[in-house]
Amino acid sequence: QVQLVQSGAEVKKPGASVKVSCKASGYTFNTYGISWVRQAPGQGLEWMGWISAYNGDTHYAEKLQGRVTMTTDTPTSTAYMELRSLRSDDTAVYYCARKATGQPPHYWGQGTLVTVSS
Amino acid sequence: DIQMTQSPSSLSASVGDRVTITCRASQGISNYLAWYQQKPGKVPDLLIYAASTLQSGVPSRFSGSGSGTDFTLTISSLQPEDVATYYCQKYNSAPLTFGGGTKVEIK
Repeated sequence: QVQLVQSGAEVKKPGASVKVSCKASGYTFNTYGISWVRQAPGQGLEWMGWISAYNGDTHYAEKLQGRVTMTTDTPTSTAYMELRSLRSDDTAVYYCARKATGQPPHYWGQGTLVTVSS
Repeated sequence: DIQMTQSPSSLSASVGDRVTITCRASQGISNYLAWYQQKPGKVPDLLIYAASTLQSGVPSRFSGSGSGTDFTLTISSLQPEDVATYYCQKYNSAPLTFGGGTKVEIK
């Protein structure tokens, strides 16, 4: 069965970087993309971006351009999301989700809480 | 970028009531519209895609309709386990914007 397992919670200081991993299993990794979505405490869902695990193409949310990098590692079936220059308003649960072309994100990871605090 | 506007932001209804949530896109998105259910403390779960196609395993009391700019999620008979926040999302092209969410509670 399809599973996405994310790395554990992180606590970071303002200005630091965080890298969240998302290990996929149960399907051929490089035939789908991975979307990243975050949710600040008590807030709605925010789409961060998407990466093709086939060719590495990326689309990032405009507000995160320059601070976010999404990558994949096919041999380990793992996707990564790195966010730099962290601010307090980056405190959120970060989710990865598998995405097929022409389909919405489906099969989500369990979420990774990133707390940014001095 | 296309904006997605959901209404209402919250609602309270009785068990057995018919509940309707709307989602409006600022530009046409054909039928590239998905609905997610997020129960408190849980991961979002895909309910409907292609505006009206029920994901496998989703109860038939859920239905979706619409095309272009106006979409609707309907729960035909609200159940206690439907307490959740519901989100629409466009997925025709990046950015895959979410609506602001609709919190559904039992009266």
